[in-house]
Amino acid sequence: QKEVEQDPGPLSVPEGAIVSLNCTYSNSAFQYFMWYRQYSRKGPELLMYTYSSGNKEDGRFTAQVDKSSKYISLFIRDSQPSDSATYLCAMKGTGGYQKVTFGTGTKLQVIP
Amino acid sequence: GAVVSQHPSRVICKSGTSVKIECRSLDFQATTMFWYRQFPKQSLMLMATSNEGSKATYEQGVEKDKFLINHASLTLSTLTVTSAHPEDSSFYICSAREAAFHSPLHFGNGTRLTVT
Repeated sequence: QKEVEQDPGPLSVPEGAIVSLNCTYSNSAFQYFMWYRQYSRKGPELLMYTYSSGNKEDGRFTAQVDKSSKYISLFIRDSQPSDSATYLCAMKGTGGYQKVTFGTGTKLQVIP
Repeated sequence: GAVVSQHPSRVICKSGTSVKIECRSLDFQATTMFWYRQFPKQSLMLMATSNEGSKATYEQGVEKDKFLINHASLTLSTLTVTSAHPEDSSFYICSAREAAFHSPLHFGNGTRLTVT
């Protein structure tokens, strides 16, 4: 079983829809949670960074962490064609040399 | 802020030659940089952790003599693929973290290496 599970998609939605992207994980030591957006042939871009459980909102993006269920989500409101990309979840524990563990990424396509 | 610059973005080289990829943190000091490899439709595979002023730490299965890493300053790390072979063709991405260990990773835009 992988430490981090993420549905690879692809996920196709119409423009303006609310998108929900999710990851589950098995390691209860994970405390820091990140979402990255990666366009084709580009490096990942940090979208959201949260610590422990709770919600965080930034513009059209909302990140949720439910540590009791080992489940994290990224919501995108009013989705745009420019949101079409692969979204990677990532997480790490505390401690200086804790590695970041990535999900495999969900490919999202927003159709105009 | 937190910009990581990676160069070159694309490189084609002949089998047997060496290629150097540079990774720079432009607006912050990075005591630790990371080198990843990404295969098509797969996630990021950590190759090695680069620490300023000390030897890199390589992940299991990564040949340290083939993938030479140098982290000479707080803003620059280099990855040299030595004696490249076609199977080394891949997308290589560096990332850097600000001083605090809990800071998130910031990525460069990657280097597409093609070995002919």
